[in-house]
Amino acid sequence: EAGVTQSPTHLIKTRGQQATLRCSPISGHTSVYWYQQALGLGLQFLLWYDEGEERNRGNFPPRFSGRQFPNYSSELNVNALELEDSALYLCASSSATATAYEQYFGPGTRLTVT
Amino acid sequence: RKEVEQDPGPFNVPEGATVAFNCTYSNSASQSFFWYRQDCRKEPKLLMSVYSSGNEDGRFTAQLNRASQYISLLIRDSKLSDSATYLCVVNLYNNNDMRFGAGTRLTVKP
Repeated sequence: EAGVTQSPTHLIKTRGQQATLRCSPISGHTSVYWYQQALGLGLQFLLWYDEGEERNRGNFPPRFSGRQFPNYSSELNVNALELEDSALYLCASSSATATAYEQYFGPGTRLTVT
Repeated sequence: RKEVEQDPGPFNVPEGATVAFNCTYSNSASQSFFWYRQDCRKEPKLLMSVYSSGNEDGRFTAQLNRASQYISLLIRDSKLSDSATYLCVVNLYNNNDMRFGAGTRLTVKP
C-alpha cells in the first residue's frame, strides 16, 4: 500500500513569492493534516482538512491557506513568503474510521526562502 | 502551559541501557495518546499507541496515568538504531486534532 506522498521534495523561493505544496493521502484516508517543522523545533500544527472542508487551523497567519480536493489530496499555499517560513512542511493523513486517529506522515517538502 | 510537554533531553546512553521518557498533557479530556519516532531530517513515524492499561511492544513499554495526565515510554536494552527523537502525541478532543510535543532526543552510544 502506498504511503503519503508529497511534492515537491525541495522548494526554493524568494521572499514575497508564493509557494504551493501538494500532498496525497494514503488510499482510503479522508483527513489530511499540515504541519510546519522549523529546524530544531517541534511540529507546529497548521491545518486539518476532512471531507473537503477545513476543520481546524493552528496559530498561523491567513497567508497560510490550503484546500482539499474531491480525491482527498490537498494543497498548502503560503503567500508573501518570509524568511522564517523556511522549514520542513509535513503532511499526514488518517482514516475517519480508525478508533485511535493514528496519523501517517509523508516525507515532507523542505521549503527554503531566500 | 503547553498542551504537551516533554523533557527535550538530550539523553545519551550506552548500548544495552534502559531509558525512560516522560510526557505531560494539559487537557484532562484527552482520549488518545501516541509515541512517534523521528530520525534526523525524516518524517515522524508511529512507534506505538498508548492504551489505558499500558502496552508493550518488544523492548518498548508505554504507560498512561490519566490522574496525573502523564505518559511514559520505556526502552529496554537500547540499540544504536534507537537513536532518534521521540515525540509524544495527544489527541485533544477525541477527534483528529492531535498535538505533538517538541520531542526528546535520544543518542545510544557503543
